[in-house]
Amino acid sequence: QEQLVESGGGLVQPGRSLRLSCVASGFSFSSYAMYWVRQAPGKGLEWVAVIWYDGSNKYYADSVKGRFSISRDNSKNTVFLQMNNLRVEDTAVYYCARADQVPAAIAYYGLDVWGQGTTVTVSS
Amino acid sequence: DIQLTQSPSFLSASVGDRVTITCRASQGINNFLAWYQQKPGKAPKLLIYAASTLQSGVPSRFSGSGSGTEFTLTISSLQPEDFATYYCQHLNSFPLPFGGGTKVDIK
Repeated sequence: QEQLVESGGGLVQPGRSLRLSCVASGFSFSSYAMYWVRQAPGKGLEWVAVIWYDGSNKYYADSVKGRFSISRDNSKNTVFLQMNNLRVEDTAVYYCARADQVPAAIAYYGLDVWGQGTTVTVSS
Repeated sequence: DIQLTQSPSFLSASVGDRVTITCRASQGINNFLAWYQQKPGKAPKLLIYAASTLQSGVPSRFSGSGSGTEFTLTISSLQPEDFATYYCQHLNSFPLPFGGGTKVDIK
């Protein structure tokens, strides 16, 4: 069974850091690009970051660029999101998701497997 | 950046109804579009990719169409388990935007 399980969320003060993890199982993790997508309370979905299957490329939303860093360890089937200098507006449920990586488009087949999400609350 | 606008934001429908949701792109995006379903407290679920290709395991009452700037998601006969929020997403240019969502509620 293809599965993603996030962890690392919690309550943190503004300006502090948090590291999210997402462990994959049931599929060939090193073959897929991995994404982080977030959802603020009562709001819609927002793409946060993506890392290529081999870690060679990383891209970020403007709202997190320079503060968040995505990385992966293919030997441990895990993708990370290091979040520094957190702001109140980063409060959200953070989902990791995978997408098949093909030349046709960045995520031609869509984000087809998602984790259950981990909640990050930034508040003083 | 490309922006996606969904309409309506909210719709009320009955079981058995045919439901259509529209997603408009601010510029042409070919067929690089996906549709997701999200239920409260749950992760999104991929329904359709490449604008019209049904994801494996998704019931055939769901269909997608469109190309360029206008896309539609149609549910041919609404079932009780279809009451949820639906999002479109552009798949080929950053920031990989999502539409604002359409909540389908019970009439």
